[in-house]
Amino acid sequence: NAGVTQTPKFRILKIGQSMTLQCAQDMNHNYMYWYRQDPGMGLKLIYYSVGAGITDKGEVPNGYNVSRSTTEDFPLRLELAAPSQTSVYFCASRDPRGAYYGYTFGSGTRLTVV
Amino acid sequence: KNQVEQSPQSLIILEGKNCTLQCNYTVSPFSNLRWYKQDTGRGPVSLTIMTFSENTKSNGRYTATLDADTKQSSLHITASQLSDSASYICVVSGGNTDKLIFGTGTRLQVFP
Repeated sequence: NAGVTQTPKFRILKIGQSMTLQCAQDMNHNYMYWYRQDPGMGLKLIYYSVGAGITDKGEVPNGYNVSRSTTEDFPLRLELAAPSQTSVYFCASRDPRGAYYGYTFGSGTRLTVV
Repeated sequence: KNQVEQSPQSLIILEGKNCTLQCNYTVSPFSNLRWYKQDTGRGPVSLTIMTFSENTKSNGRYTATLDADTKQSSLHITASQLSDSASYICVVSGGNTDKLIFGTGTRLQVFP
């Protein structure tokens, strides 16, 4: 049982480049999330999805896009990367039984935009 | 404004000692409070989850308490081990959208 798998683990982008952060889960969780973690700050929600074909904005969605074509995958797209997007990105999924149950986080993608 | 504040920001203790981490929140309405452990370079891992009606929850050497009246929680670590070195994050679920609101964490270092 792999849980939540994120790729790549590290990436350096130049300003203006684009990339996709991959996230896959094998627990059949309907709910999936993308967070970013900046130094000294709490995790901030970028986008989330409550099921295949359904996505919604979180707290800090500007500069990002997502899609959810399958239950397993929830990729995060960065268009025209900016230095402000330098951060560690975490994907998470949640047990479908309800809000009380735990979130499972991936190991993160550390992105640097130069 | 919905906020979660943790103290101290960092803590150094010797192996075998106990410690207590604090969390104050202003999230309303309140759904549940979670404590996560985050090792360096890894994602957060759940330690405990408590609802409004629960005032204590244990997970091995970790014991969390919740006082919903004063909106405070604590995480007590007993007989610390070197592997306890990590950031501990308090997370409250609630507010109008029932989303997770993260504290900034307490960085714990355990030395031999």
